[in-house]
Amino acid sequence: AQSVTQLDSHVSVSEGTPVLLRCNYSSSYSPSLFWYVQHPNKGLQLLLKYTSAATLVKGINGFEAEFKKSETSFHLTKPSAHMSDAAEYFCVVSDLGIAGTASKLTFGTGTRLQVTL
Amino acid sequence: ETGVTQSPTHLIKTRGQQVTLRCSSQSGHNTVSWYQQALGQGPQFIFQYYREEENGRGNFPPRFSGLQFPNYSSELNVNALELDDSALYLCASSVRGLMAEQFFGPGTRLTVL
Repeated sequence: AQSVTQLDSHVSVSEGTPVLLRCNYSSSYSPSLFWYVQHPNKGLQLLLKYTSAATLVKGINGFEAEFKKSETSFHLTKPSAHMSDAAEYFCVVSDLGIAGTASKLTFGTGTRLQVTL
Repeated sequence: ETGVTQSPTHLIKTRGQQVTLRCSSQSGHNTVSWYQQALGQGPQFIFQYYREEENGRGNFPPRFSGLQFPNYSSELNVNALELDDSALYLCASSVRGLMAEQFFGPGTRLTVL
């Protein structure tokens, strides 16, 4: 069974400083990995995805993540935090939606990012 | 292009009642998945529909059921509501086979009293 572990339930950074949100995954095969963001009272928005191409994935709003198979990690980073980045972030693993099977997403428990002045 | 829409936005029910939540898929998408997000938790997969048939189910009891219609819209039905069913219910649509990227609606907030 596949799973993800988000190592921090809450991260607080100052505006303009780097962001690091940590995620480890477990999967019996090469996974598809995603980061989603959820702002208060809003739906989930895809930040970026890894699907076995380049290991360094660039997403929207300056976020990027690096897939490290040896460490089973997929950490999310941003060089400089902005107040608008304050939200809940979810690391997600998925199967590839092979014909005849459901492409189920398995979410981590989330990391709340707080950005202070 | 219209995104994923869900109705209603909020809903209050009492224990034992039944509820139906609705979802309209993004244009061109043929697969719908439903997720339950309890307060302070990540979404949990309920089930997925493709070609009007259930195609994969998470760890949810049979009182959670669904439908997908020919226009790919979908319903989630929950019978015999329990207090623990209070959650945000998210619908996601996708095109089957394209690397599982799913597009989420804003959700329906269900409160069971």
